[in-house]
This record gives sequence, structure tokens and C-alpha cells, in this order.
Amino acid sequence: SQELEQSPQSLIVQEGKNLTINCTSSKTLYGLYWYKQKYGEGLIFLMMLQKGGEEKSHEKITAKLDEKKQQSSLHITASQPSHAGIYLCGADNMNRDDKIIFGKGTRLHILP
Amino acid sequence: EPEVTQTPSHQVTQMGQEVILRCVPISNHLYFYWYRQILGQKVEFLVSFYNNEISEKSEIFDDQFSVERPDGSNFTLKIRSTKLEDSAMYFCASSPLNEQFFGPGTRLTVL
Repeated sequence: SQELEQSPQSLIVQEGKNLTINCTSSKTLYGLYWYKQKYGEGLIFLMMLQKGGEEKSHEKITAKLDEKKQQSSLHITASQPSHAGIYLCGADNMNRDDKIIFGKGTRLHILP
Repeated sequence: EPEVTQTPSHQVTQMGQEVILRCVPISNHLYFYWYRQILGQKVEFLVSFYNNEISEKSEIFDDQFSVERPDGSNFTLKIRSTKLEDSAMYFCASSPLNEQFFGPGTRLTVL
């Protein structure tokens, strides 16, 4: 079965600094999702990547899927307190009603 | 912007009692899911639902669990006889095709 490894497990960053979170899969990624979760709350959809080499951006967050489709990175530029939370990567097989397998998450703290 | 809603936000129950967790998916979505997250652990898939039947279920989704879409808008998860280990956040998600949009979750506490 597919396993997703996220690194680092937690990250403390000074406000205004850039940061990167990584997600590595044990198998080829067909659909790779990034979600953000506030502590004890729901999952907010950020981005979905499908193609090798694909890159998407939303505001100050950029996600990339490598050419081999086994690793994705999430990059935040000029971090703000609102970026704090848990970032989850998830993967599915891009079949229409596939379940998403999630990583354990990366806990991001932003220091003012 | 349309969103998935869930009720209640928090449910406390005694072990052995039945609970029903409710979800209203986004209106034009066709695929529906339940996931759960035990405190400090991964978000885990429970069940997917399409065209009024279960598409796939995980090994967690045993005979104590059932899902229903009774009226074309609500999507419910029933746990017949709750156990202590059922305490978790339960998330509903819906999808038009691929991207899944999650609700805010119901925190279930079994005493």
C-alpha cells in the first residue's frame, strides 16, 4: 500500500521567512493533494497536482510535483502568522471516487 | 463559496450508544466520503459512496458502521454501538470528480 512520508514533522519559522515542506511517496503519485488543517479543525484544500514537473501557486504558497512523480514540495514565501497550522499531503490514484491516503502532516509554527 | 457542513461539531456519548453524524455535501457533487482522525494520528479513510451505494470501505469500517444518503442532500454516518476507540474527529468530504472538499469535522468523544 502507498505510504507518504512528510518532512519535517514540525517547523518553527520566523515571520517573513521562506520555508519548504516535503512529501515523498513509496509509489508513483497520480494525484497529489495539499491540505491545511488548523488545530482540531477541518481540512482546507490548497492544491492538487497530477503531472510530472507540474507547479501551482496560490497567493504565497507554491507546490511542485517532481518529474518522477514521487515527491512533492510545498513552499511558502514570506511566511505570515496566518500560515500556521498543519500541512497534509495526500495521494490517490485519480480514479473517480478514490480514497485519499494522507501523510502524518507537518506542523508549522510562525514566530512573530 | 459553497462548502461542506457537518453537525454536530461535538458529540459526547456513552460507550455502547448509537450516534449519527450528519453531513451536507456541496450540492452538485457526486462522490461522498467519510474519514476519521484519532487525536495525534493520520487522517484515515473510512468509506466512499457514489450513486447511493458504497464504492469502497476500509477495514476500519466494520459492521458497526453504516452510511446513508436519505434525502438527496444529507449524508450520514451511523455508529451502532460506540466503543472508546471510536473517539476521533470524523470528517465528511465531497467531490465533483477528483478534488475532495472536506467539512469542518465532528469531534466524537466516547465515555
